[in-house]
Amino acid sequence: DAGVTQSPTHLIKTRGQQVTLRCSPKSGHDTVSWYQQALGQGPQFIFQYYEEEERQRGNFPDRFSGHQFPNYSSELNVNALLLGDSALYLCASSRWTARSYEQYFGPGTRLTVT
Amino acid sequence: AQTVTQSQPEMSVQEAETVTLSCTYDTSESNYYLFWYKQPPSRQMILVIRQEAYKQQNATENRFSVNFQKAAKSFSLKISDSQLGDTAMYFCAFMPNSGYALNFGKGTSLLVTP
Repeated sequence: DAGVTQSPTHLIKTRGQQVTLRCSPKSGHDTVSWYQQALGQGPQFIFQYYEEEERQRGNFPDRFSGHQFPNYSSELNVNALLLGDSALYLCASSRWTARSYEQYFGPGTRLTVT
Repeated sequence: AQTVTQSQPEMSVQEAETVTLSCTYDTSESNYYLFWYKQPPSRQMILVIRQEAYKQQNATENRFSVNFQKAAKSFSLKISDSQLGDTAMYFCAFMPNSGYALNFGKGTSLLVTP
């Protein structure tokens, strides 16, 4: 099992551009969440996708959008990039089991906006 | 809104010693999950331990254990027999049973010295 995978690893964009980040969940997981982690901070929840729909959204502007595909993989899109969007973007996949809840994170995508 | 507070920005411990990281949270929910995540310099967010609020017994995973005080809304992590590989940022996180987003604290940077 490859666990949660994300691509690309690093990305450099110019202010005003658009970016797409990708995530493949752990096998057996049907839910994908996205988090933004600024340098020296804890991750902040962006949104979560389940059954190809956005189930919950954090306090992020509409410039941040996403999509989940039938195979449960997901994309995070950010339009009109700002310098403040520079951060580590983490994807997490999860599922509820009969006994508990499990969630695993991917290695992240480091986005630098210049 | 739920908040998670980690009052120790940095901590240091010698190899083989025991260290305790503190975490408090604020919520009006009665059912929720609490987590400790480890993020080494490789930036991969790794689940250390998980606690369901309805369980009175403190969770334990090998050298890692928690002291969960529900009334005090406190969730500390104890690392026994510290190893050099334990050096990392440690994040405390809260998730209500009624929601889907993890709320993270700002983290504690732990350094294990020889």
